[in-house]
Amino acid sequence: DTEVTQTPKHLVMGMTNKKSLKCEQHMGHRAMYWYKQKAKKPPELMFVYSYEKLSINESVPSRFSPECPNSSLLNLHLHALQPEDSALYLCASSPRGTSGRVDTGELFFGEGSRLTVL
Amino acid sequence: AQKITQTQPGMFVQEKEAVTLDCTYDTSDQSYGLFWYKQPSSGEMIFLIYQGSYDEQNATEGRYSLNFQKARKSANLVISASQLGDSAMYFCAMREPRNPRPWGYQKVTFGIGTKLQVIP
Repeated sequence: DTEVTQTPKHLVMGMTNKKSLKCEQHMGHRAMYWYKQKAKKPPELMFVYSYEKLSINESVPSRFSPECPNSSLLNLHLHALQPEDSALYLCASSPRGTSGRVDTGELFFGEGSRLTVL
Repeated sequence: AQKITQTQPGMFVQEKEAVTLDCTYDTSDQSYGLFWYKQPSSGEMIFLIYQGSYDEQNATEGRYSLNFQKARKSANLVISASQLGDSAMYFCAMREPRNPRPWGYQKVTFGIGTKLQVIP
């Protein structure tokens, strides 16, 4: 079982809707990520949060609004999306590298939220 | 900028045989890390194996081994004794040098992937 939980697993929304994707981890990781993956493409980084602060925004359109309310939760708020935003949205977290294990920077992924915009 | 190249869009392997998935990379950094992830049709990205740029020995994790040739900038994944459950997309990925602590995050770039199908 994955230790990063994403909800919902599937979401269908219209272009005028407002919805949110949620990601939760209880591994004590202080870096959390949102990736977008289109069909038959690799994941592309959208946002990185470190210690609940936005550290990287890869020039993502403002219709995607991330939020990190605490060290375990990461949200992605969606508003006025376009059909081309339909994709698998993957959340990931990574440890700080002080737990004694080899500091690989490994990303721990959730199962993703599959979004369809009509 | 970092770049990952996977030149095999699809591969077939007979069950119980070994298979090698190719990955080459390009970076000007001295410190970096290389990963392989597996993505079944369910969507989850599953970590398989990691190789640090300063690791002198090839990484191994069970049936997975990473053939790291630093001078050639290649990091091929070898899966031994293929199983039907190995059918999936496989992504090679590279992380940039880790940001100074306490921040601890890093950017990971993925290749386009190789679809592996194991034939009974």
